[in-house]
Amino acid sequence: DAGVIQSPRHEVTEMGQEVTLRCKPISGHNSLFWYRQTMMRGLELLIYFNNNVPIDDSGMPEDRFSAKMPNASFSTLKIQPSEPRDSAVYFCASSLAPGSPPITEAFFGQGTRLTVV
Amino acid sequence: TQLLEQSPQFLSIQEGENLTVYCNSSSVFSSLQWYRQEPGEGPVLLVTVVTGGEVKKLKRLTFQFGDARKDSSLHITAAQPGDTGLYLCAGPDNYGQNFVFGPGTRLSVLP
Repeated sequence: DAGVIQSPRHEVTEMGQEVTLRCKPISGHNSLFWYRQTMMRGLELLIYFNNNVPIDDSGMPEDRFSAKMPNASFSTLKIQPSEPRDSAVYFCASSLAPGSPPITEAFFGQGTRLTVV
Repeated sequence: TQLLEQSPQFLSIQEGENLTVYCNSSSVFSSLQWYRQEPGEGPVLLVTVVTGGEVKKLKRLTFQFGDARKDSSLHITAAQPGDTGLYLCAGPDNYGQNFVFGPGTRLSVLP
């Protein structure tokens, strides 16, 4: 398996523009997570899906952020409109349900480095 | 709310030195995991500890899970520059649907 695939790897956009980040999880995994990482705040969970259903989106900063998982092999995170404070590295991770035996791990993509100018 | 704390936040040492980093919580976890994140990459799992008191070794890295399953430590012997990175501990939440991550220890090993 190629692992979790994220695109693009880097994105530079102007304030106010719409940004869409994409993620292909590992085949067979039933949980998908979107994280944001900054030096100041570390790794923050934005939203996670279980069997394509959003379970907890309490980490989504505000209404400008939205995430979808139309099927088991694809998810998007959209920011509209983007702001400079959204600049960060965004990670997607997939897993089997963490509490299910055997204990499973979170597999991370390489991340998308977003810069909003 | 389950929280994981890690210490120290930053650590800079010379090649060949030993070090220990810590992961603590007031909550009991069914298991804890350690991940290492290298610059420009996503975190990668190093180990999972499941049983209270368990010790696991991975080459020069030794991981221990506390008896009460509320804490864990990572000891590195004779650190090398290749050990440089962000070390994150994580565990499943009480519902078994999500991971709780600590803030990480940023390690720099100087040649």
